[in-house]
Amino acid sequence: AQSVTQPDIHITVSEGASLELRCNYSYGATPYLFWYVQSPGQGLQLLLKYFSGDTLVQGIKGFEAEFKRSQSSFNLRKPSVHWSDAAEYFCAVGSLTYGGSQGNLIFGKGTKLSVKP
Amino acid sequence: DTAVSQTPKYLVTQMGNDKSIKCEQNLGHDTMYWYKQDSKKFLKIMFSYNNKELIINETVPNRFSPKSPDKAHLNLHINSLELGDSAVYFCASSQDLTQPQHFGDGTRLSIL
Repeated sequence: AQSVTQPDIHITVSEGASLELRCNYSYGATPYLFWYVQSPGQGLQLLLKYFSGDTLVQGIKGFEAEFKRSQSSFNLRKPSVHWSDAAEYFCAVGSLTYGGSQGNLIFGKGTKLSVKP
Repeated sequence: DTAVSQTPKYLVTQMGNDKSIKCEQNLGHDTMYWYKQDSKKFLKIMFSYNNKELIINETVPNRFSPKSPDKAHLNLHINSLELGDSAVYFCASSQDLTQPQHFGDGTRLSIL
């Protein structure tokens, strides 16, 4: 069965420091991979996505992620964290059903990012 | 200009009641979804709905039922509410699975 693992429940980084959030997935075929961010009391906003092609994808707010098939990973990175990046981050894999005509997202349990001044 | 809107934002009610949450998307998407986010922030798919084809997560109790009057709306009806139904419910939509899902701001349901 498809699954997504985010090993870190909570990460604290200093403002200006670099960030890497880990994500590992289990999926039989080439996955559709996403990173979403959720600010308190808000819905989820898409940061970036990977479908195919270049394994390093750029997203909004200065985030990037690298797809590594050999490691089944899709880690999220940012070179310099801002205080406004404090939020919950979710990795997700697109799960296809009915021969790929429909499906849904399977989410990891999220990583809470705290930023200290 | 809200892309995916849910109402109400907060819903407080008593055990045993029946309630509905509405969802509307103005993106012209073909597929809509309902997710449940529990107190530990875990998001789990409840339903996806595409061209009148409903895919139900088998773990969802049949007290929950989605209703789609048209392509832009997918409402969630819940009968005989239980304490364990307390959660934040998110509606989302996408053109298809290869396209990102757009989420509403969520409905926080609290059962007294």
